[in-house]
Amino acid sequence: NAGVTQTPKFQVLKTGQSMTLQCAQDMNHNSMYWYRQDPGMGLRLIYYSASEGTTDKGEVPNGYNVSRLNKREFSLRLESAAPSQTSVYFCASTVGTGGWYEQYFGPGTRLTVT
Amino acid sequence: TQLLEQSPQFLSIQEGENLTVYCNSSSVFSSLQWYRQEPGEGPVLLVTVVTGGEVKKLKRLTFQFGDARKDSSLHITAAQPGDTGLYLCAGAGETSGSRLTFGEGTQLTVNP
Repeated sequence: NAGVTQTPKFQVLKTGQSMTLQCAQDMNHNSMYWYRQDPGMGLRLIYYSASEGTTDKGEVPNGYNVSRLNKREFSLRLESAAPSQTSVYFCASTVGTGGWYEQYFGPGTRLTVT
Repeated sequence: TQLLEQSPQFLSIQEGENLTVYCNSSSVFSSLQWYRQEPGEGPVLLVTVVTGGEVKKLKRLTFQFGDARKDSSLHITAAQPGDTGLYLCAGAGETSGSRLTFGEGTQLTVNP
């Protein structure tokens, strides 16, 4: 049981390049999330998927797209990377219902855009 | 928009001291979670509290959910260097489903 896995762990991009961050979970959770974490700003939600086949914008969706490929996988795409997207990206999945929820996080992808 | 404010933002103490971290909001939450994050890793769930007034203990860590379900606290007794990390609270809003609101975190350093 690997939990939530993310690839790659590190990435350096040049401005304007594109890339896809991959995330998979083996806990059979319905909901999945993408966050970015910047110093002093906590975790900010980029996009989420409450269930397979649905995606919704979070706080900071501009410059990103997502795909919920199946119940296990949720990918995040940067179409044209910008230095402002330098950050640590975390994928998470959630279990729970009726107001009780718990999130489980992957190890993160450290992205630098030059 | 629901907000969770954590205090203090930074805390540096000596091994053996006690400390309390606070998580406050003007909104009511259905449940509240506490996470710890170590450098280079993702946040790890410590506890979930659901009932107003609930107290949960995890070894030297005591978590309390406010009676009105708007606030929570984390108390660590006899802190150890291994407790060093970023502590995050997160709440599930009454109408936000599984989407959690995170506080900005408390960076705790326990010096030997």
